[in-house]
Amino acid sequence: AQSVSQHNHHVILSEAASLELGCNYSYGGTVNLFWYVQYPGQHLQLLLKYFSGDPLVKGIKGFEAEFIKSKFSFNLRKPSVQWSDTAEYFCAVTPNQAGTALIFGKGTTLSVSS
Amino acid sequence: GAVVSQHPSRVICKSGTSVKIECRSLDFQATTMFWYRQFPKQSLMLMATSNEGSKATYEQGVEKDKFLINHASLTLSTLTVTSAHPEDSSFYICSAYPAERMNTEAFFGQGTRLTVV
Repeated sequence: AQSVSQHNHHVILSEAASLELGCNYSYGGTVNLFWYVQYPGQHLQLLLKYFSGDPLVKGIKGFEAEFIKSKFSFNLRKPSVQWSDTAEYFCAVTPNQAGTALIFGKGTTLSVSS
Repeated sequence: GAVVSQHPSRVICKSGTSVKIECRSLDFQATTMFWYRQFPKQSLMLMATSNEGSKATYEQGVEKDKFLINHASLTLSTLTVTSAHPEDSSFYICSAYPAERMNTEAFFGQGTRLTVV
C-alpha cells in the first residue's frame, strides 16, 4: 500500500527564514505528487503538483518542490517565509492512473513569527 | 479550474439522527469521487471511493453501514452518516477528478463540519 511520510510535525520559523519541508512516499510505480496548504479555518488549496518532466516544480506564493525519484522524495521549499505562510501543509501522492485517490501525509504545521 | 461544491458546510445534529452530505461536481463529470475525514489538527484519511452506478469501496476500518455512500449520477455523490454519535463529529471532505482524465489534480469540496451533540 502507498504511504506518505512527512518528517516535520511542527516547524517554527521567523519571517524571512528559509523553509524546507520533507516528504517521502512509498510506491513502486509512477506517481503524481502534490503539496496542499490549509490555512486556519479554510479548506485545502493546491500549492503545486508534479506529474512528469522537470523535477523542479514551481507553485503559487513562491513555493517550489523537487522530485528526487531515487530518494522517493518531494520536498517543499520556500526561500523566505512570511507570517501569512502560517498554515498546515500536506504532501499527497497518487499512482499515475486515472481516478485514483490521493493519499495524504500527516501534515506539517508551520508557524511563522513576525 | 474545475469546481466541486459540498453542502452543507456546517451541520449540527442530535445524537442518533442521520445527516446527509452532498458533493457535486459543477462543471465536469466524475465517475469517481472520494470521501475523506479530517480530525482536528490531523491529516485527511480516505474513507471510501464512490463509484457512479455501483457500490462504494470502503477503506479498512470504515463502517459501510454507518457511512452510506450513493453516487447516483456523474455529478453527485452523497455521504449519509447514520445514527450519528459524538465520535462522528469531524470535518468531511469530498474530492473528484474529471472523468477518465489523467495528469490532473483532484478537486476538493469546501468540506462539511459535522458536530453531533
